[in-house]
Amino acid sequence: AQSVTQPDIHITVSEGASLELRCNYSYGATPYLFWYVQSPGQGLQLLLKYFSGDTLVQGIKGFEAEFKRSQSSFNLRKPSVHWSDAAEYFCAVGTRAGNQFYFGTGTSLTVIP
Amino acid sequence: GAGVSQSPSNKVTEKGKDVELRCDPISGHTALYWYRQSLGQGLEFLIYFQGNSAPDKSGLPSDRFSAERTGGSVSTLTIQRTQQEDSAVYLCASSYSMLYEQYFGPGTRLTVT
Repeated sequence: AQSVTQPDIHITVSEGASLELRCNYSYGATPYLFWYVQSPGQGLQLLLKYFSGDTLVQGIKGFEAEFKRSQSSFNLRKPSVHWSDAAEYFCAVGTRAGNQFYFGTGTSLTVIP
Repeated sequence: GAGVSQSPSNKVTEKGKDVELRCDPISGHTALYWYRQSLGQGLEFLIYFQGNSAPDKSGLPSDRFSAERTGGSVSTLTIQRTQQEDSAVYLCASSYSMLYEQYFGPGTRLTVT
């Protein structure tokens, strides 16, 4: 069965530090992969997505993610975190048919000054 | 243009009552998705529509849940005989077509007492 695992429930980083949020998936074929962010009081917003091609994808707000097929991972990274990045981050997998989407349980990011 | 809207924003209902949740997608978006977000959980995919058709209803939690979409636009999610475990935030998203970026609405917070 398809699933998405975000092993870190909560992460705290200092402003200006680098960030990596982990995501592992289980899916029989090459999936479509997404990272969404949910800020307090805001709706979910797409940060970036991977469909095919270059395994390093760039997103909005300075985020990037790398698809590693051998590790079934799609980790999200940012070189320097800003206080406004504090939010909940969700990794998601979509089937190639586009008829199912699976979200992880999310990673809550706290940024300290 | 306007984003995805959902109504009501909050709904408190008594156990056993029926509720209807409404989603107005972005104009021109043919794909529409319903998700449920429970406290401490990720997003649970419920159902998607391509146009007015929902090819796969297996994500609906029980036969008390149903959804319809008319005119390729507005969708309603109906929960009959609500139970306390139905309490959650119900999110709707729309996209230009399947696998394009999903734009999420603000959600309906359902509380079953």
